[in-house]
Amino acid sequence: KAGVTQTPRYLIKTRGQQVTLSCSPISGHRSVSWYQQTPGQGLQFLFEYFSETQRNKGNFPGRFSGRQFSNSRSEMNVSTLELGDSALYLCASSLPGQEVGQFFGPGTRLTVL
Amino acid sequence: GENVEQHPSTLSVQEGDSAVIKCTYSDSASNYFPWYKQELGKRPQLIIDIRSNVGEKKDQRIAVTLNKTAKHFSLHITETQPEDSAVYFCAAKDDKIIFGKGTRLHILP
Repeated sequence: KAGVTQTPRYLIKTRGQQVTLSCSPISGHRSVSWYQQTPGQGLQFLFEYFSETQRNKGNFPGRFSGRQFSNSRSEMNVSTLELGDSALYLCASSLPGQEVGQFFGPGTRLTVL
Repeated sequence: GENVEQHPSTLSVQEGDSAVIKCTYSDSASNYFPWYKQELGKRPQLIIDIRSNVGEKKDQRIAVTLNKTAKHFSLHITETQPEDSAVYFCAAKDDKIIFGKGTRLHILP
């Protein structure tokens, strides 16, 4: 069974631009959660989607948004990028009935210049 | 706000010895406590988890204990091996999952 995949793996943007990251969960997994990882702040929860509905949201500004499609694939969007948004963005998927964060993807490394 | 404190930030252990990492949490409503291992340049991997209605859980060389009254939980790794070298993260979850800052574990030959 294929693992969680994320695209793109690396991305360079400039301040003020917006970016969309994609996450494809393991087949059969309907929960997708997103995380930001930085050396300073560590791992932080962004949001969780289940069956196309946002189930929980972390403490991030409204510039961070996401959605989930009927095939459980998820995207997250960051608008008006700031230098501090440079991070590794990870997604994870879980089976129905499992807690969030069971299987992580490889992440997308976003650099904002 | 909710917080998870993790100690120590760095831990060096002789191969074959045990390692213990401790976490405390602030939200008494937390009911799920996972532990993750992240090797350099790799994705986090869930290695063990425990729910609030259980005091201890063991999986081969890894065990987790939970003290709900004191709001702390610990990861125990016995008979450490070189492949145990990694950063370990604890987390606590009520509706949102909050992570500790991580412990870098070095296994010394």
